[in-house]
Amino acid sequence: EVQLVESGGGLVQPGGSLRLSCAASGFTFSDYWMHWVRQAPGKGLVWVSRINSDGSSTSYADSVKGRFTISRDNAKNTLYLQMNSLRADDTAVYYCARAYSSGWYGYWGQGTLVTVSS
Amino acid sequence: DIQMTQSPSSLSASVGDRVTITCRASQGINNYLVWFQQKPGKAPKSLIYAASSLQTGVPSKFSGSGSGTDFTLTISSLQPEDFATYYCQQYNSYPYTFGQGTKLEIK
Repeated sequence: EVQLVESGGGLVQPGGSLRLSCAASGFTFSDYWMHWVRQAPGKGLVWVSRINSDGSSTSYADSVKGRFTISRDNAKNTLYLQMNSLRADDTAVYYCARAYSSGWYGYWGQGTLVTVSS
Repeated sequence: DIQMTQSPSSLSASVGDRVTITCRASQGINNYLVWFQQKPGKAPKSLIYAASSLQTGVPSKFSGSGSGTDFTLTISSLQPEDFATYYCQQYNSYPYTFGQGTKLEIK
C-alpha cells in the first residue's frame, strides 16, 4: 500500500525556518517525481515545488522561489522541503504528492500544518 | 502561468441529482487535466485524470469530458458521501495550477 506521511510542521515566527519531511513507503520511491502542494486555511490548493526522481531537477512557484528548497534522499525514501524566511502567508497545510510519469498526482499524504505567527 | 477558472464556486443539490462542474483553462493544456475531491480535513483524492480517464477504484458515477480549454466533471446520482469540494488542476506546464474549487452542498 502506498503511504506518504508528512511531518515537521508547527508554529514558527516570521523570518524563521522549518524543514518538512515526507516519508514514503509501499512503492519504489526513487522511480517517482514528487511534489509539494499547500492549502491555506479555508482556501484552495496551490502548487509549491517538484523534484525529479533522482533529485537533479527542481521547480518552484514564484511565491517561494529563493526561500524554499525541495530535496530528497532516495536511500531513506524521504522527501524534504526546507522553508526559510517564512512569512505569514506561508501559513498552510503542506501536502506531499506522488506524481505519475505524465505528471498527475495519484497519491497524497495527509498533510502537515505550518503556522507562521508571532 | 495558466489560469484555471472553475464554475460554479458553490452548488446546492439533492441526493439523487446529477451535477456538472466546469473548468476553463486560459490556454490549451493538451487534456492534461485532473479532477480532485476533497472533504474537510482530508487530503485531496484524484477522480479523473487526462480529462476523461477514471482513476482506479473511483465509481463510474464520476465522469470527465472536454478538450482544449474547456472541461467538465459530471457526478450522477448524488449520494451523501459526494458532498465535498471539487478542484480541477492542469499538469500541462509549470507552475501547475488549480481551479478555485466548487463546494457541493446538500440542498
